[in-house]
Amino acid sequence: AQTVTQSQPEMSVQEAETVTLSCTYDTSENNYYLFWYKQPPSRQMILVIRQEAYKQQNATENRFSVNFQKAAKSFSLKISDSQLGDTAMYFCAFMANTGNQFYFGTGTSLTVIP
Amino acid sequence: GAVVSQHPSRVICKSGTSVKIECRSLDFQATTMFWYRQFPKKSLMLMATSNEGSKATYEQGVEKDKFLINHASLTLSTLTVTSAHPEDSSFYICSARDPGPRGETQYFGPGTRLLVL
Repeated sequence: AQTVTQSQPEMSVQEAETVTLSCTYDTSENNYYLFWYKQPPSRQMILVIRQEAYKQQNATENRFSVNFQKAAKSFSLKISDSQLGDTAMYFCAFMANTGNQFYFGTGTSLTVIP
Repeated sequence: GAVVSQHPSRVICKSGTSVKIECRSLDFQATTMFWYRQFPKKSLMLMATSNEGSKATYEQGVEKDKFLINHASLTLSTLTVTSAHPEDSSFYICSARDPGPRGETQYFGPGTRLLVL
């Protein structure tokens, strides 16, 4: 079975600074997808960024980028120029290409301090 | 990104009644939808996987007779909580799998907050 681990339950960062959220996973699959979702107080799950395992290039979306290390099974999220609106729960998620299931990490609560 | 709607957003019901929650993919066809339950400050717990035109697959420990799932079309899945009890009070979230041109992704509905009195 796949597992996703987020070892940082809570983090904080000063506005305009950079923060990195860690995520590791365990799988025997070779083809899969990795995601970071944001859940603000409204509780709407919002897709932040996705990475296809067969792509070596790290995904980027504006201020959000990932450091994908396939051999180490690591998938960290870097948020640059943090904004107050980035305050939220962040969930790392894994989906195998062959399966129908999503596996979530336990989440990291990020607070951006003005 | 793709849009998934969920209705109602909030429902309060008496113990013993049934509640139906709808999940719709608005701009793509979803052969697979998922139902999750989320407790406060916790991660999402997968309840069941809903495939269009076939029976849902339930996770271990989830009562299929209590949480009825129907996926009658490529854009609609419903979750019915039958004979609801206070312990069923929770936040329920659906998601839809989009294998389309944007790449394999899941998009989530805004959630339904259920309170059983």
